Amino acid sequence: EAGVVQSPRYKIIEKKQPVAFWCNPISGHNTLYWYLQNLGQGPELLIRYENEEAVDDSQLPKDRFSAERLKGVDSTLKIQPAELGDSAVYLCASSQRTSGRLSYNEQFFGPGTRLTVL
Amino acid sequence: AQSVTQLDSQVPVFEEAPVELRCNYSSSVSVYLFWYVQYPNQGLQLLLKYLSGSTLVKGINGFEAEFNKSQTSFHLRKPSVHISDTAEYFCAVSGAGAGTALIFGKGTTLSVSS
Repeated sequence: EAGVVQSPRYKIIEKKQPVAFWCNPISGHNTLYWYLQNLGQGPELLIRYENEEAVDDSQLPKDRFSAERLKGVDSTLKIQPAELGDSAVYLCASSQRTSGRLSYNEQFFGPGTRLTVL
Repeated sequence: AQSVTQLDSQVPVFEEAPVELRCNYSSSVSVYLFWYVQYPNQGLQLLLKYLSGSTLVKGINGFEAEFNKSQTSFHLRKPSVHISDTAEYFCAVSGAGAGTALIFGKGTTLSVSS
């Protein structure tokens, strides 16, 4: 079974340019997450989707970041315009609720997109 | 709210030596605890998790961790490391329940040399 797919793997742009990242989650996973990982830091949640609904976007800088998950499958994260401080790795993860007494969703991560803003 | 503190940013160790990566968490509610590994230019891979039950959790690649509620710790251990264990290790916490996001520590770089 294919894992979480992200593209592009690397992106270099000039500041003030727009950029978009794409994520295709594992088939059947209804929950999708975008995380931001700055150099030397752990990932931080940007937005979480349940199917096509954004249920937690409190950490998404809405002045320049936007995301969508049309049809509840793949998702796109956009930055417009990009700033120098946006240089980081953008990780996508997906999960599916497990059955049983303990309600728990194991998150599977993609390889990430490394963005460099010059 | 939850938070995670990884007490060591870098841990150098020789091959076949034991290692412990330390993690403390803070939370006012029940939590789930996780350790992830990240190899260079790759995504995160789950090593092990604690949801409930036995406080000693065994994971992949010979790693184990012990949940200590009184000390709010979840330290990761391996009795004998290999060169291939060189990677970044992240401790994470989430609220107990499905669908909540992970809160990660800043990571510990494990460097294994021969």
